[in-house]
Amino acid sequence: DIQLTQSPSFLSASVGDRVTITCRASQGISSYLAWYQQKPGKAPKLLIYAASTLQSGVPSRFSGSGSGTEFTLTISSLQPEDFATYYCQQLNSYPTFGQGTKVEIK
Amino acid sequence: EVQLVESGGGLVQPGRSLRLSCAASGFTFDDYAMHWVRQAPGKGLEWVSGISWNSGSIGYADSVKGRFTISRDNAKNSLYLQMNSLRAEDTALYYCAKDMVATILGAGRGMDVWGQGTTVSVSS
Repeated sequence: DIQLTQSPSFLSASVGDRVTITCRASQGISSYLAWYQQKPGKAPKLLIYAASTLQSGVPSRFSGSGSGTEFTLTISSLQPEDFATYYCQQLNSYPTFGQGTKVEIK
Repeated sequence: EVQLVESGGGLVQPGRSLRLSCAASGFTFDDYAMHWVRQAPGKGLEWVSGISWNSGSIGYADSVKGRFTISRDNAKNSLYLQMNSLRAEDTALYYCAKDMVATILGAGRGMDVWGQGTTVSVSS
């Protein structure tokens, strides 16, 4: 199985901050990586697929980059509604998720 | 409106069985692969199982292989998960999710539609 490791696991930030979350894969996955946002009591929401393609309706302050084994999700200016948990997911083989990164209000 | 609605969850004793269902609407169901993803209380997301558009390709997480069976009925726009020999560690919220492509193994894009989940609790 392909393992995904996200860092950090917890992140404390303020509104307006630039936030970056990293996802590392245990082996190369080309660009078959997606990012999700999950708020408490809600289902996950797809933000980015194919490592850098923004899902329809997702604000442009979200961006993704990377290929191979290292990927990043960046929020250019954190908004109040962005406080949530973020997961990466690889789709190069049967899907697996990272352990999640919780973004909290500073 | 694109929608997935799960049902069938509940409280069950260890070793017993449960069958989850997911009713899809608002999209062409047999164009896409489908998945079950679960989330234990306070924990992260875990992919459980996936099935391609025509049921020709099926996959399971190691944690459920041999105990769970995924299936779909394209005529009824429905996805199922038969769960046997349930264990306490299977306790979770089970989500049904639509893939963006028709296959489940390799070259995937992600899961763009999710249901609200159905809760499975395994306890004596």
